[in-house]
Amino acid sequence: ETGVTQSPTHLIKTRGQQVTLRCSSQSGHNTVSWYQQALGQGPQFIFQYYREEENGRGNFPPRFSGLQFPNYSSELNVNALELDDSALYLCASSLGTGDYEKLFFGSGTQLSVL
Amino acid sequence: GNSVTQMEGPVTLSEEAFLTINCTYTATGYPSLFWYVQYPGEGLQLLLKATKADDKGSNKGFEATYRKETTSFHLEKGSVQVSDSAVYFCALSLGGGTGRRALTFGSGTRLQVQP
Repeated sequence: ETGVTQSPTHLIKTRGQQVTLRCSSQSGHNTVSWYQQALGQGPQFIFQYYREEENGRGNFPPRFSGLQFPNYSSELNVNALELDDSALYLCASSLGTGDYEKLFFGSGTQLSVL
Repeated sequence: GNSVTQMEGPVTLSEEAFLTINCTYTATGYPSLFWYVQYPGEGLQLLLKATKADDKGSNKGFEATYRKETTSFHLEKGSVQVSDSAVYFCALSLGGGTGRRALTFGSGTRLQVQP
């Protein structure tokens, strides 16, 4: 069992609203990545934070933004929600930006936009 | 751009059957290749990896060989168990500078093993 926890586990919002998803990384991990997993699809990279700075971004619009805090926990914020934002949002933490053997994923937040 | 293509599922097998899940990739450069597994209600877990051509990754009876000439990384297991039922994702990463360490995933293949 990994030490990456995400909250909430499920969330329902309406189109146009804003949402904040939270991720508590594994102890000692300084890197957090966020992925969006649409139903029946593989996860897609949103962005990565390393030591509180954004360290790479996928093909997502600016209304997807993030933060990493001094304790390395992280938030994903999505403004002006659209129906297509409905997905499972996964957080993954690691020590360093390329350590895949110790990249741990949380169970995700299921977001439904109505 | 970079992409990963997996065979569509679900794949339904009887216990002790041989498993192959096909994965091919397109990448600019020389990627590292991975298989991740997602059990119901759990986060993705790294199953195995290979970082250069002809490397074989293996774990829990699963194997995959990095084939540069065919740009493939097929997952195999000689005898599946009911507990192997899960969704399997093939993925790649190019490593290197900012943002390039992101994982690019295939769409996943659901495996159902029947007793």
